[in-house]
Amino acid sequence: DTGVSQNPRHKITKRGQNVTFRCDPISEHNRLYWYRQTLGQGPEFLTYFQNEAQLEKSRLLSDRFSAERPKGSFSTLEIQRTEQGDSAMYLCASSRDTGPGELFFGEGSRLTVL
Amino acid sequence: QKEVEQNSGPLSVPEGAIASLNCTYSDRGSQSFFWYRQYSGKSPELIMFIYSNGDKEDGRFTAQLNKASQYVSLLIRDSQPSDSATYLCAVPGGSYIPTFGRGTSLIVHP
Repeated sequence: DTGVSQNPRHKITKRGQNVTFRCDPISEHNRLYWYRQTLGQGPEFLTYFQNEAQLEKSRLLSDRFSAERPKGSFSTLEIQRTEQGDSAMYLCASSRDTGPGELFFGEGSRLTVL
Repeated sequence: QKEVEQNSGPLSVPEGAIASLNCTYSDRGSQSFFWYRQYSGKSPELIMFIYSNGDKEDGRFTAQLNKASQYVSLLIRDSQPSDSATYLCAVPGGSYIPTFGRGTSLIVHP
């Protein structure tokens, strides 16, 4: 069990650029979540996949954000035309497909938009 | 909009004392409740979960649930400096997606 892997761990970009984050969940986990966390706040839900299907998206999620999970394995989160307000830690988590349960988090990808 | 409320703290307790962390939630239909610990610069990790009214104990940790009052708490007995972290309350809603509170920062001083 290698845990949830995210990369890159850190990304510094200029406003207006596009960035992409990758998440590799625990292999037997069907559920995958993306959260965003800023300093002093709890994780804020962005989107959720069950296998390859994106089943939930936060209403707060801008059209600049898009996520995919091809073949139900790894997932990518892309942010287009980044803004300074996008600066945050982007957390990926996965869980088993058996009701409410423990989320296993990756180490996160920290985005800084200059 | 489902809400999970926590006092941001910091809560400061001396080593060996009991730390009490509280969480309220808005969705009366919530059935399960999770406590995560997050060290500075690290990701959240699960420490306790509770489904039924009453108390659930695991080592130095006790989770308490009162569904009528929509209130869940976490007690840490014999607090240690290594317990210093942010404690996040999480309540799953639709599709079992957890909503997290903002977290309570706990400082255990020697």
